[in-house]
Amino acid sequence: SAVISQKPSRDICQRGTSLTIQCQVDSQVTMMFWYRQQPGQSLTLIATANQGSEATYESGFVIDKFPISRPNLTFSTLTVSNMSPEDSSIYLCSVESGQVERTEAFFGQGTRLTVV
Amino acid sequence: ILNVEQSPQSLHVQEGDSTNFTCSFPSSNFYALHWYRWETAKSPEALFVMTLNGDEKKKGRISATLNTKEGYSYLYIKGSQPEDSATYLCALDSSNTGKLIFGQGTTLQVKP
Repeated sequence: SAVISQKPSRDICQRGTSLTIQCQVDSQVTMMFWYRQQPGQSLTLIATANQGSEATYESGFVIDKFPISRPNLTFSTLTVSNMSPEDSSIYLCSVESGQVERTEAFFGQGTRLTVV
Repeated sequence: ILNVEQSPQSLHVQEGDSTNFTCSFPSSNFYALHWYRWETAKSPEALFVMTLNGDEKKKGRISATLNTKEGYSYLYIKGSQPEDSATYLCALDSSNTGKLIFGQGTTLQVKP
């Protein structure tokens, strides 16, 4: 299993500013995932963060808007840049427990972002 | 684009009622099917990870079944309690990469 500490838990930000979300895992993990849930929508994968290489972004998400850092095997940050009200969402980081056989995912507590 | 559908979107039941939700997914793109329980202001918590057609799993009053040939999974809650109130998410792992495709969730409200 894995315990993930995510912060901040919530924030209200002005449009045009940036917010950095941090996730700290209590064990070393190869891949970390960043998701967001816009109001009324599904949790959607933004990117996969690998240690020692650039993050891999899903269709519709770009590095300039969502830069990700992964300095070591227990920590990652996601920045939401130049925010607009459309960025108001819940952001979640996630890791999976299996290395060879895929098993359940573990999640941070989420960051509830409101952009005004 | 792979799509995971959940129904109903929301459900209100009385304490003691049994209930079930549906998750449907494209049967041609399947590695594993996950169910999570997500309470407000908490982390989503894994209930089940299912990989084999015909799988049935149980945890206390909650159980799930899987049909990979027709592309659906059911989650059952027997004798619902107020503490079961949460959003239940299903997620498809289609590529064995750890990336999950989530449905929109079913929000359950159990009234005492």
